[in-house]
Amino acid sequence: ETGVTQTPRHLVMGMTNKKSLKCEQHLGHNAMYWYKQSAKKPLELMFVYSLEERVENNSVPSRFSPECPNSSHLFLHLHTLQPEDSALYLCASRRTGGRTEAFFGQGTRLTVV
Amino acid sequence: DAKTTQPPSMDCAEGRAANLPCNHSTISGNEYVYWYRQIHSQGPQYIIHGLKNNETNEMASLIITEDRKSSTLILPHATLRDTAVYYCIVRVFHNNAGNMLTFGGGTRLMVKP
Repeated sequence: ETGVTQTPRHLVMGMTNKKSLKCEQHLGHNAMYWYKQSAKKPLELMFVYSLEERVENNSVPSRFSPECPNSSHLFLHLHTLQPEDSALYLCASRRTGGRTEAFFGQGTRLTVV
Repeated sequence: DAKTTQPPSMDCAEGRAANLPCNHSTISGNEYVYWYRQIHSQGPQYIIHGLKNNETNEMASLIITEDRKSSTLILPHATLRDTAVYYCIVRVFHNNAGNMLTFGGGTRLMVKP
């Protein structure tokens, strides 16, 4: 248990569906992140939020829409995804301003059919 | 951030020490060496980090060569639960949230009975 909780753990959605992934941490961290891990590929950083403001968007398609309403919660809204978007989506958080390690959630295994 | 090179896979007998090497020949003076591991279909887990001195914690030891161009993560008594992909990452720590972990392919460690 890392203190970073992701829900749901598994999600199957059709290409026309709209769904959201949720990440929650109560570690007092001020930065939160979404990563994507496709089969047999390294983790790819998707979005970075610091103090609830997006500071980085690594060329992610607009069908992925992040939201950070407060420093403890992070969402990834999904709309009209493609089968190649099937992957493990990981949330991480950390406290900036020092050599603090990042904590990762268990991930959401997403399958787009 | 400096690039790292790790062997793609290694085997280790249960109860023996697992020594995982990492080359980072282009590391700069203010870059730290971090190790994370990812057990199958879970989020990465922080193990240890160091700058130039050797470090030890309850999980592992980190040995950094004097020229800092390579390091070795040591799991002193590997168990089956240590089977995972181990990532060596070098990076500078800035205050800003955008400076986050960049993962390579890692080393897949298989601990065998």
